[in-house]
Amino acid sequence: DAMVIQNPRYQVTQFGKPVTLSCSQTLNHNVMYWYQQKSSQAPKLLFHYYDKDFNNEADTPDNFQSRRPNTSFCFLDIRSPGLGDAAMYLCATSRDGGTYEQYFGPGTRLTVT
Amino acid sequence: AQSVAQPEDQVNVAEGNPLTVKCTYSVSGNPYLFWYVQYPNRGLQFLLKYITGDNLVKGSYGFEAEFNKSQTSFHLKKPSALVSDSALYFCAVRDPTDSWGKLQFGAGTQVVVTP
Repeated sequence: DAMVIQNPRYQVTQFGKPVTLSCSQTLNHNVMYWYQQKSSQAPKLLFHYYDKDFNNEADTPDNFQSRRPNTSFCFLDIRSPGLGDAAMYLCATSRDGGTYEQYFGPGTRLTVT
Repeated sequence: AQSVAQPEDQVNVAEGNPLTVKCTYSVSGNPYLFWYVQYPNRGLQFLLKYITGDNLVKGSYGFEAEFNKSQTSFHLKKPSALVSDSALYFCAVRDPTDSWGKLQFGAGTQVVVTP
């Protein structure tokens, strides 16, 4: 089945130790999004790509970066995780930015010790 | 700027009773509206959307929603709730002029269905 896959599902990292989260999709969608979600709050958009065109939200911390090497893969890099970065990170895709819904992966729960 | 409000943090309903989760929105022009459901430690699952046309939209798992332009609402409904419907529900709005397709989510409503 076509889907959005996130690895790992659970990630534990130490304070200040860089970490990379990955997302892949078999839907061949043009748009990919990264969200941060804390304790059952609304997802907060961090980055999005339309093909290779990249956009980060104005309030996304500089500590967060993203890469999309090809249509299928997208990565979220946290350069120096702080305790406040502990959250669920959700990847989503959409066919384009028009009327299409977003499809979400299962998420990666990040713990910072 | 667009926004969406879910006025209830939690909705409690007995199994077999009707379920309603409320959502109101604010957006210039005609909105695109979505409902998603999230089970614990999972991603969001798409339930249904309103883009244009019939105000009553039918979606997955027996859910439906009614778009009301005059009241700027898009309430989610299910005629007979199941215990398995217990989850976190998010309403979201998209500005049709936004080429990135970004969603503005409401704060979420926790639905608890008791046997």
